[in-house]
Amino acid sequence: NAGVTQTPKFRILKIGQSMTLQCTQDMNHNYMYWYRQDPGMGLKLIYYSVGAGITDKGEVPNGYNVSRSTTEDFPLRLELAAPSQTSVYFCASSPGTGETDTQYFGPGTRLTVL
Amino acid sequence: AQRVTQPEKLLSVFKGAPVELKCNYSYSGSPELFWYVQYSRQRLQLLLRHISRESIKGFTADLNKGETSFHLKKPFAQEEDSAMYYCALKEGAQKLVFGQGTRLTINP
Repeated sequence: NAGVTQTPKFRILKIGQSMTLQCTQDMNHNYMYWYRQDPGMGLKLIYYSVGAGITDKGEVPNGYNVSRSTTEDFPLRLELAAPSQTSVYFCASSPGTGETDTQYFGPGTRLTVL
Repeated sequence: AQRVTQPEKLLSVFKGAPVELKCNYSYSGSPELFWYVQYSRQRLQLLLRHISRESIKGFTADLNKGETSFHLKKPFAQEEDSAMYYCALKEGAQKLVFGQGTRLTINP
C-alpha cells in the first residue's frame, strides 16, 4: 500500500493564480483531512471529509475549496493564491472509528506564493 | 475553544538523560490525547495515544486531568529520538487540534 500520496511536492505560484493539490489514499479510509503548517506553528485543519460526497470546514477554510467524489481522492483547490497561503500542506486519512482513529499523513506539499 | 499548548519550541538533552516534552490542553469534556512524531525526512506518524496506556519506543505519557497535562516522557534518551513532536487533542468527528510542536535534539 502506498498509503496517502500527495502531488505536487513543491510548487511556486504567483499571486492570483489557482491550483489544485492532489491527495489520494489507498486504505479505504472514510475520513480525510487537509492541514496547513506555517513556520513555527502547529498544523491547522482547513477542511475535512467523513465520506464521499460529504465535506466540512475546519479552523482555517477561507481561500480554499474541496470536493470528495470518491473515497480515495480529496483534492484541495486554491482559487486566487495569496502570499498568506504560503505554507506546507498535509493531507491525512483515518478509518474514523474507536481505536482505529489514527490519522495517516501524506508527505506534504510545500507551496510558495509570490 | 479547545487548545493544545506545547511551551517549548526547542528541547535539547544529552544521550542517556531523561526527556520530558510538555503538553497542556484546555477541553470541557473527557479529552482524548495523542502524541505524533515526525522524524527527519519522514511523515508525521502516531507515536502513542493516552487511552492505550502503552509505551512506544520507551516513551510514555500520562493524562493528568487535574493539571490538564499530557507530558511525554522517556527515562533514557537515544539519538534516534531526535525529531519534531506534536501533542494533539481529538475534537468532534475525528478532528485533531495540534500543539505548535517541540523539536527534540539528542546530543551525543
